[in-house]
Amino acid sequence: DAGVIQSPRHEVTEMGQEVTLRCKPISGHDYLFWYRQTMMRGLELLIYFNNNVPIDDSGMPEDRFSAKMPNASFSTLKIQPSEPRDSAVYFCASSPEGEGWNSPLHFGNGTRLTVT
Amino acid sequence: TQLLEQSPQFLSIQEGENLTVYCNSSSVFSSLQWYRQEPGEGPVLLVTVVTGGEVKKLKRLTFQFGDARKDSSLHITAAQPGDTGLYLCAGPTGSSYKLIFGSGTRLLVRP
Repeated sequence: DAGVIQSPRHEVTEMGQEVTLRCKPISGHDYLFWYRQTMMRGLELLIYFNNNVPIDDSGMPEDRFSAKMPNASFSTLKIQPSEPRDSAVYFCASSPEGEGWNSPLHFGNGTRLTVT
Repeated sequence: TQLLEQSPQFLSIQEGENLTVYCNSSSVFSSLQWYRQEPGEGPVLLVTVVTGGEVKKLKRLTFQFGDARKDSSLHITAAQPGDTGLYLCAGPTGSSYKLIFGSGTRLLVRP
């Protein structure tokens, strides 16, 4: 299996621009998670989906952030408009349902976002 | 709010030394997971501990879940440069699939 695939690996944009991050989860995984990692705050859960339906978006910082999962093999995280404080590494992870909340998360290699 | 605190934050040791890192909480967790993250990559699961008092071994790594399921430790014997990385503990919140992560221990093993 190719694992979780994220694109782009790096994104540099100017403040105010729209940014779209993409994720392809592992085939057959029922759960998809978006995390953000910074030195100051560590790994923070932004939102997660089960069977393409958003279950908990309480970690989404503000209305500038939105996430969609139109089908089982694709998800996007959009920031509009972007701000310098959004600079971070954004990770997508997927998980099978089988072991409940003991199921391991399989992470992609992340998108490093820099907003200038 | 459930929190996971990890210590130490940073650890730099010589190859061959032993070390222990800790993951603590004031809350009870149904299970805890340990991940290792290398630069430029996402975290990779090392182990899941489920039962209070449980000990799991993965080659030179020994993981223990506290009896009260509020803490966990990771002990590495004879550390090698390949053990270098960020070690993260994580646990589920309540009955949901939300996994919260500790702030991590950044380990450097010098050859």
